[in-house]
Amino acid sequence: DIQMTQSPSSVSASVGDRVTITCRASQDISAWLAWYQQKAGKAPNLLIYAASTLQSGVPSRFSGSGSGADFTLTINNLQPEDFATYYCQQAHSLPLTFGGGTKVEV
Amino acid sequence: EVQLLESGGGLVQPGGSLRLSCAASGFTFNIYAMSWVRQAPGKGLEWVSVVSNSGTTTYHTDSVKGRFTISRDNSRNTVYLQMNNLRVEDTALYYCAKGRGAISSCSDSWGQGTLVTVSS
Repeated sequence: DIQMTQSPSSVSASVGDRVTITCRASQDISAWLAWYQQKAGKAPNLLIYAASTLQSGVPSRFSGSGSGADFTLTINNLQPEDFATYYCQQAHSLPLTFGGGTKVEV
Repeated sequence: EVQLLESGGGLVQPGGSLRLSCAASGFTFNIYAMSWVRQAPGKGLEWVSVVSNSGTTTYHTDSVKGRFTISRDNSRNTVYLQMNNLRVEDTALYYCAKGRGAISSCSDSWGQGTLVTVSS
């Protein structure tokens, strides 16, 4: 199985900051990576797929980059509604696996 | 608008069984793979099972193989998760999720989840 490692596990930030979250796969997954946002008590929401493609309706302050085994989610100009937990997921091969999550908090 | 409505969760004793259902609407159901993802209380997301658009191909994570079975009824726009021999560690909120396409694809729509509690 492909292991996904996210860092950091939590990050403290303020409105207007730029936040960067990294995700590392245990093997080459090309660009088969997705990012999700999950707010407390809510279902996850797809932000980015294919490493860098923004899902419809997602604000452009979110961006993704990377390929192979190393990936990054960047949130520019952090907004109050962005405080949440973020997960990466590899979609290269089954079983699909998630990273451990990164909580973005005040 | 895509809607996924899970049901069937509840309290069950270790060794017991439950059948989860997910009723889908707002999209052409028989085109997309469907998955179940779970989240234990206070923990991260864990992918559990997937079924192909036709229902002919399924895959389960190792911890549930031989105990859980995913299936779908395209005539009813519904996906199921039959869970047998439940363990305390299966306690979680179970989400139904729509794939973006093929069986190994990320999920672009999620239900609100149904809670499964395994306890004596």
